[in-house]
Amino acid sequence: GEDVEQSLFLSVREGDSSVINCTYTDSSSTYLYWYKQEPGAGLQLLTYIFSNMDMKQDQRLTVLLNKKDKHLSLRIADTQTGDSAIYFCAESWDYGGATNKLIFGTGTLLAVQP
Amino acid sequence: EPEVTQTPSHQVTQMGQEVILRCVPISNHLYFYWYRQILGQKVEFLVSFYNNEISEKSEIFDDQFSVERPDGSNFTLKIRSTKLEDSAMYFCASKGSGGPTGELFFGEGSRLTVL
Repeated sequence: GEDVEQSLFLSVREGDSSVINCTYTDSSSTYLYWYKQEPGAGLQLLTYIFSNMDMKQDQRLTVLLNKKDKHLSLRIADTQTGDSAIYFCAESWDYGGATNKLIFGTGTLLAVQP
Repeated sequence: EPEVTQTPSHQVTQMGQEVILRCVPISNHLYFYWYRQILGQKVEFLVSFYNNEISEKSEIFDDQFSVERPDGSNFTLKIRSTKLEDSAMYFCASKGSGGPTGELFFGEGSRLTVL
């Protein structure tokens, strides 16, 4: 079945890099996503990667995908206190349907220490 | 910036009561979703809605649940007879285009507490 796992907590110092990891079980996943949830707010899409890519970079964010190991990571360079939030990994499939539902991981709480 | 809005932000209800959670998706969006997150657990897909009908639903979305888009702007989730285990944060989401790359915009959530 579909399952997405993440570590629950990560603490880093301001200015350091953060790496949040995710593993998934369904190798047919087409797209993998990173969402951010700040306290009291909804989930905000940060970035996504198509399954035929190994890496995607977007400003301070770098997504690495190891499809063989079914491992996805999100690296945040120069982490700021404003990056403190819960980060969710999610997967989806392109099967031509209208839905493209997301399967989410448990979320990783990133705490950035000043 | 356009946003998905949800009401109420928090609702407390007695077991067995009916609850309606309301959502106003982004105005030109066509695909609508409900997800929920039980405290400490994963965000789970409940249902998707497109072209005025349910396009997919999960095992969680049983006969106690229903969705409606009554007036072209609101998108509601009704729980007919709430159970304790329905206590969760319910997220509405909408998307402008089909396919997995269209960005899914989430609301801030409605917290439902069933006593």
